[in-house]
Amino acid sequence: ETGVTQSPTHLIKTRGQQVTLRCSSQSGHNTVSWYQQALGQGPQFIFQYYREEENGRGNFPPRFSGLQFPNYSSELNVNALELDDSALYLCASRAGQGRAGTEAFFGQGTRLTVV
Amino acid sequence: AQSVTQLDSQVPVFEEAPVELRCNYSSSVSVYLFWYVQYPNQGLQLLLKYLSGSTLVKGINGFEAEFNKSQTSFHLRKPSVHISDTAEYFCAALTSGTYKYIFGTGTRLKVLA
Repeated sequence: ETGVTQSPTHLIKTRGQQVTLRCSSQSGHNTVSWYQQALGQGPQFIFQYYREEENGRGNFPPRFSGLQFPNYSSELNVNALELDDSALYLCASRAGQGRAGTEAFFGQGTRLTVV
Repeated sequence: AQSVTQLDSQVPVFEEAPVELRCNYSSSVSVYLFWYVQYPNQGLQLLLKYLSGSTLVKGINGFEAEFNKSQTSFHLRKPSVHISDTAEYFCAALTSGTYKYIFGTGTRLKVLA
C-alpha cells in the first residue's frame, strides 16, 4: 500500500463547471505531482509542488491550477471544464527533489467524466 | 526532448510462457528509468527502477529489466507469466535534476490460459 490517497474516486461534471480533486501524500513526502491519464494513454505531467510552491508545469492551460498545504496534502482545480478533460487524474508523492526522491508513489486516481 | 517509446501496444502470451515488453528512451543526459504496472481502475505500482550501477535490475513479482545505454533501451522481462500479470505496463523516465516523469503509451499484457 502506497499511502497516497485521492478523493473522490469517481466524479461526473458538466461542461463549463469547475472541479477540485484532492490528494493526501505519503507521510514525510514534501513533493507532489499531478498527472492526467486519458483513456488508452500514458500519464501526462500537469504540474508539481515542492514545499507549497509550484516548481514545474507541463503543457496544460492556466485553468488547471493547484495548491499544496503545510501538511503536504494537495488539490488540483480545473475551471471551465471541457469534454476532453475527461480522464483519470493521478497524484504522486515523492520524498524530495534529489536522488532520494526519484521514486514516485501514486494514488489510485480520480476518474473524472465531463458530460 | 526527452521521450519514451513502448513499441508494443498489446502483448498476448500464454500462461507460464516468458514475456518481454520493450521500452526505448531518448535523452541526451543521464536518466533514471522505471517500470510501473496498472491494474484496472487502479493507480500505478512500481515494479522496478534503474538509478545507476548494475544494468540488470530485479523487481517485484518476478520481473526484471536490463538497462542498455548503447541501445537506449530498458526492456522488461519475466521468465514465466501468470494470469494475474494481466495488466497495463508503463515505462517511464526521469531526467536527473528535473521534476517530471515522462511515460510511454503503455503495453497491455494479456495472459491467456
